[in-house]
Amino acid sequence: AQSVAQPEDQVNVAEGNPLTVKCTYSVSGNPYLFWYVQYPNRGLQFLLKYITGDNLVKGSYGFEAEFNKSQTSFHLKKPSALVSDSALYFCAVRSENQAGTALIFGKGTTLSVSS
Amino acid sequence: DAGITQSPRYKITETGRQVTLMCHQTWSHSYMFWYRQDLGHGLRLIYYSAAADITDKGEVPDGYVVSRSKTENFPLTLESATRSQTSVYFCASRAGRRSGNTIYFGEGSWLTVV
Repeated sequence: AQSVAQPEDQVNVAEGNPLTVKCTYSVSGNPYLFWYVQYPNRGLQFLLKYITGDNLVKGSYGFEAEFNKSQTSFHLKKPSALVSDSALYFCAVRSENQAGTALIFGKGTTLSVSS
Repeated sequence: DAGITQSPRYKITETGRQVTLMCHQTWSHSYMFWYRQDLGHGLRLIYYSAAADITDKGEVPDGYVVSRSKTENFPLTLESATRSQTSVYFCASRAGRRSGNTIYFGEGSWLTVV
């Protein structure tokens, strides 16, 4: 069965510091991995995805994520956090082999960036 | 470029009433989804559809009905609303393989059952 774990309910960082939001996954076969961001009272916005190729994926708003197959992880990172990055972040996965299935989402991590 | 739109955005209804949440997408994506978002549970899949007239159950389908007579529309009906169905509902559609199968979400429908 597919699953996603976001081990931290909340991550707190100071503005200007690097941030990491963790995600680990479990799928059979090769994973398709995604990060989404949700601002209050809004829908989820796509940030970035890993399908194949370079393990370091760059996305919107200066975010990047590193795919690590051996650790089955796909952590979201940003070199310098902004207060405006404060939001709820979701990691999601599905198997390349299961085109007919929906994404499985983690429970989300709230990122709080203080000024 | 409307993308994916949901209506109503906010709804209060009474227990036992039927409620339909509408979802419309302008991309002609084949796959569409309904998720509910609840504190502590993240997003859970209710139903999805691979194409017009093809639907399938997700993780939490009980109490919900869907239809997909046209590719662009995917309404979700609560046949007899219960308080446990108070939630935020998100409709989504999935781009094709060439676009990496990215899923795009609507802005959500906030439903309160009293």
